[in-house]
Amino acid sequence: EADIYQTPRYLVIGTGKKITLECSQTMGHDKMYWYQQDPGMELHLIHYSYGVNSTEKGDLSSESTVSRIRTEHFPLTLESARPSHTSQYLCASSESLPLAGGYNEQFFGPGTRLTVL
Amino acid sequence: KNQVEQSPQSLIILEGKNCTLQCNYTVSPFSNLRWYKQDTGRGPVSLTIMTFSENTKSNGRYTATLDADTKQSSLHITASQLSDSASYICVVSDRGSTLGRLYFGRGTQLTVWP
Repeated sequence: EADIYQTPRYLVIGTGKKITLECSQTMGHDKMYWYQQDPGMELHLIHYSYGVNSTEKGDLSSESTVSRIRTEHFPLTLESARPSHTSQYLCASSESLPLAGGYNEQFFGPGTRLTVL
Repeated sequence: KNQVEQSPQSLIILEGKNCTLQCNYTVSPFSNLRWYKQDTGRGPVSLTIMTFSENTKSNGRYTATLDADTKQSSLHITASQLSDSASYICVVSDRGSTLGRLYFGRGTQLTVWP
């Protein structure tokens, strides 16, 4: 079954630790995205990728970095976590070519809730 | 500035009742408008997507409307169920980039009581 996965679902760590949030999709989508969402607030795009070896920064400045070595995998890394990084991180993917209606539907993973103490 | 505003911020209704959620946007050039349902601690799931030429679209008990002239949309939920309790997010996409940038509202938090 085609899907998009994120691990871990919940992570509590101390300040200064290096962390990697995993995101994988089995739909063969070229485009992948990372969003950050605080409670009661809108999603903000922090990184995106058009395909392998392509990574771009989004609208919201983030100290995190991403890589895209394989089509299905789009991990996000924080070299030194801080309490200000506490948030929910959502990964999404979409087709490159638009559907008949002229749009690309984005499919979201379940998210990772990160808490930095 | 491209923005998406939703109202109300939160809503409590009794099971079986209907409700309507509102969305106003200023995104331009407009490509499409989506309504997502986000359960607590989960990722958003698409309910409907409407392009410029569509003014209504249904998905089961969910019916979305779009007025591209006034830049307003609504999501009507009929005969609500407990499982409808979630955040409903209005999302507008522009035509100004190859990425098809999405602009998210803050959502309406719907609670359905038995």
